[in-house]
Amino acid sequence: DVKVTQSSRYLVKRTGEKVFLECVQDMDHENMFWYRQDPGLGLRLIYFSYDVKMKEKGDIPEGYSVSREKKERFSLILESASTNQTSMYLCASGTPGQGTDTQYFGPGTRLTVL
Amino acid sequence: AQKITQTQPGMFVQEKEAVTLDCTYDTSDPSYGLFWYKQPSSGEMIFLIYQGSYDQQNATEGRYSLNFQKARKSANLVISASQLGDSAMYFCAMTGAGSYQLTFGKGTKLSVIP
Repeated sequence: DVKVTQSSRYLVKRTGEKVFLECVQDMDHENMFWYRQDPGLGLRLIYFSYDVKMKEKGDIPEGYSVSREKKERFSLILESASTNQTSMYLCASGTPGQGTDTQYFGPGTRLTVL
Repeated sequence: AQKITQTQPGMFVQEKEAVTLDCTYDTSDPSYGLFWYKQPSSGEMIFLIYQGSYDQQNATEGRYSLNFQKARKSANLVISASQLGDSAMYFCAMTGAGSYQLTFGKGTKLSVIP
């Protein structure tokens, strides 16, 4: 079974703090993704990575950065957390070209910024 | 640009009955993938089923089947013999040719009644 894990299920941070969200997958997938999910807005792609040290902006990259130093690990960084970044963050991984391009998701991190 | 429309914000179904969740999509790509995900209240996004645009047969996975009508651009999810554990949000999503990004619909909240 595909396993995608995220470092925290719940996280509470203060405005201005630097926040790291970690994601690890154990299926040797090339692609990894970070989404945020908000009521009424659905899931929106923040960043994705198609290889180690490679990254592409998604629909809402402002205020975020990412790091992928190893194939299995993809980190989302909030350089200076703000209250409007309070959200559910979902990490996903997948491999293109295998007929499905299916993305498998982790359990999510509910981040609250006070 | 791709677009997914789920017109049913909420649905109720009696336990052991079948239910259909609607999904229509819009894309100009000749090649695309269609997905359904389940999100229980715990927050994890669980992959259910995939349909490729060139697949001749409708996809099935256990109690889940995808009713794919290409000309109508619809990809409805059918859940047979509903169970209480099927109560969750259900999201339809798609990828396009050359794009790793998943485009999600707004979701349908399914409630299974005993």
